[in-house]
Amino acid sequence: GEDVEQSLFLSVREGDSSVINCTYTDSSSTYLYWYKQEPGAGLQLLTYIFSNMDMKQDQRLTVLLNKKDKHLSLRIADTQTGDSAIYFCAEKEAGSYQLTFGKGTKLSVIP
Amino acid sequence: DAMVIQNPRYQVTQFGKPVTLSCSQTLNHNVMYWYQQKSSQAPKLLFHYYDKDFNNEADTPDNFQSRRPNTSFCFLDIRSPGLGDAAMYLCATSRAPGSSAYEQYFGPGTRLTVT
Repeated sequence: GEDVEQSLFLSVREGDSSVINCTYTDSSSTYLYWYKQEPGAGLQLLTYIFSNMDMKQDQRLTVLLNKKDKHLSLRIADTQTGDSAIYFCAEKEAGSYQLTFGKGTKLSVIP
Repeated sequence: DAMVIQNPRYQVTQFGKPVTLSCSQTLNHNVMYWYQQKSSQAPKLLFHYYDKDFNNEADTPDNFQSRRPNTSFCFLDIRSPGLGDAAMYLCATSRAPGSSAYEQYFGPGTRLTVT
């Protein structure tokens, strides 16, 4: 079955860049997503990338996709304390309703 | 603003006492989903509706049911909550999967406590 793996924790200093990594196993994935979850809140869609793209940039966020290695990353430039949250990677197969989520990476930003 | 709304944000119920969680959306999306998220875990899909067509995940317990009376509203019914059902319940919506831009939008969640 599909599997999405992420490291559980990342700690960075305010102002530095954060890079959160994700690997997935399903070669038929069409969309890959990054969601942000703050404590006690729902999931906020940050960005997504279609599987025929290598990179997508949106303000401070850069998504890189290496389809050959099935590796997805999210880079947050100039990380702020407000970026502290859990970040979930998710993938979707063609024609499927279901998103398969990783377990989330807890990003801690040190002032 | 178009959005996904969940009520209540916090719900306390007693062991075995039926409880209903509600979700509404102003996005006019065809598909509505219910996820269960336990502490430090990924969200787990329970079921979804594509318009009025209900789709249950194979491992969703019978204790969990859902209703979608119209496009805007969807309810999650837990018939006999057990202690293991304490979790955050997340509602999400999307267009149909074949749409050119497929995004799932989540509500803020309902935190369920079972005493």
